[in-house]
Amino acid sequence: SQQGEEDPQALSIQEGENATMNCSYKTSINNLQWYRQNSGRGLVHLILIRSNEREKHSGRLRVTLDTSKKSSSLLITASRAADTASYFCATDFLYNTDKLIFGTGTRLQVFP
Amino acid sequence: NAGVMQNPRHLVRRRGQEARLRCSPMKGHSHVYWYRQLPEEGLKFMVYLQKENIIDESGMPKERFSAEFPKEGPSILRIQQVVRGDSAAYFCASSPGAGVGEQYFGPGTRLTVT
Repeated sequence: SQQGEEDPQALSIQEGENATMNCSYKTSINNLQWYRQNSGRGLVHLILIRSNEREKHSGRLRVTLDTSKKSSSLLITASRAADTASYFCATDFLYNTDKLIFGTGTRLQVFP
Repeated sequence: NAGVMQNPRHLVRRRGQEARLRCSPMKGHSHVYWYRQLPEEGLKFMVYLQKENIIDESGMPKERFSAEFPKEGPSILRIQQVVRGDSAAYFCASSPGAGVGEQYFGPGTRLTVT
């Protein structure tokens, strides 16, 4: 079964607004990653957060991780039309780090 | 430094034909992963290979699908006797070693079975 479930499934906002996406997972992990996928394209790695980290920043991205709740959030601040894409969280398993289990994704639409 | 390369980018096959998808990992990477993405869904793990070895094929369908990563050359995902349900995007990723976290993805091969 899918390890990660993302919420919301779809999100539409205006340029300049912040976008928050959430991801929940089921088992203990070593790390959690967020990827972006533009329509019909490959995946671009955004950020990796390890299980012993609680928050991480990269440019306009802020990721939090709550291992007690088995959840993570991705915040994109001051969104741009170019941020329009699908966003996926991906986790490994604590005892099997070799494959990523992807969530169902959030489709973000940023209107100019 | 070239990224992960996949070819072809688009492949159309009739039912019953064979599909061969190729993946060249990033330079210096010896670990390759294949994922499949159905429309409007996330990626699902299929198989993890190192050079000449299949490490984890727990996501591979039991029949018609096979994968290899020879000592020389790209990794190949082979689908025999394709059916319409095989239509999907197939992504390859590579990493420099086991358990390193980030995997680098190729652009994918979009397989359409008619």
